[in-house]
Amino acid sequence: QSALTQPPSASGSPGQSVTISCTGTSSDVGAYDYVSWYQQHPGKAPKLMIYQVSKWPSGVPDRFSGSKSGNTASLTVSGLQAEDEADYYCSSYAGGNTVVFGTGTKLTVL
Amino acid sequence: QVQLQESGPGLVKPSQTLFLTCAVSGGSVSSGAYYWTWIRQHPGKGLEWIGYIRYTGNTFYNPSLKSRVTISRDTSENQFSLRLNSVTAADTAVYYCGRLVDGEVAVRHWGQGTLVTVSS
Repeated sequence: QSALTQPPSASGSPGQSVTISCTGTSSDVGAYDYVSWYQQHPGKAPKLMIYQVSKWPSGVPDRFSGSKSGNTASLTVSGLQAEDEADYYCSSYAGGNTVVFGTGTKLTVL
Repeated sequence: QVQLQESGPGLVKPSQTLFLTCAVSGGSVSSGAYYWTWIRQHPGKGLEWIGYIRYTGNTFYNPSLKSRVTISRDTSENQFSLRLNSVTAADTAVYYCGRLVDGEVAVRHWGQGTLVTVSS
């Protein structure tokens, strides 16, 4: 069970859009529509932003959107705001009642 | 609104057992449709799923930790616990407890996290 692969960093200017990828395998991301995305600010617990590939928990702005194609899931943040600067982690169900997280991406708002 | 709070020693000696508890308020650990989970984060690193206990009491663990981990629950105290045996410095991390909704495989609710350092 290997960690899902994310780019270490991503960046964009306020108002722009940025997309973060999350690459797994045909045994996790590619096999199930149970991809989630979490936002984590320094020293804080993660916060669920997207679940089941593209669904929003209540209170999460629709500037955050999720998608999946094959073994790769993506999180797009539109209309970047300063408060979006954080670490982002994907996760996926990996079968056998197990879960795997991504390596994490540090999003910088320029 | 459910709230979770981790507690336990912040320092554990190598080869000993790490034991953490997650107190739950605003919800019951025996309520149907919820899974209760432990996740850790090594300093400056990413998240690692440790395992979870279903509302049925069934437990499921990360294969890489399975031989050393036990997650249990105390319905009378409305809490669940993590036991990690034979710890080493590599187990130094912030440990989070959380709740998932059955069928979502997503942690909607998190504790604040507790740092556990393994050192002599």
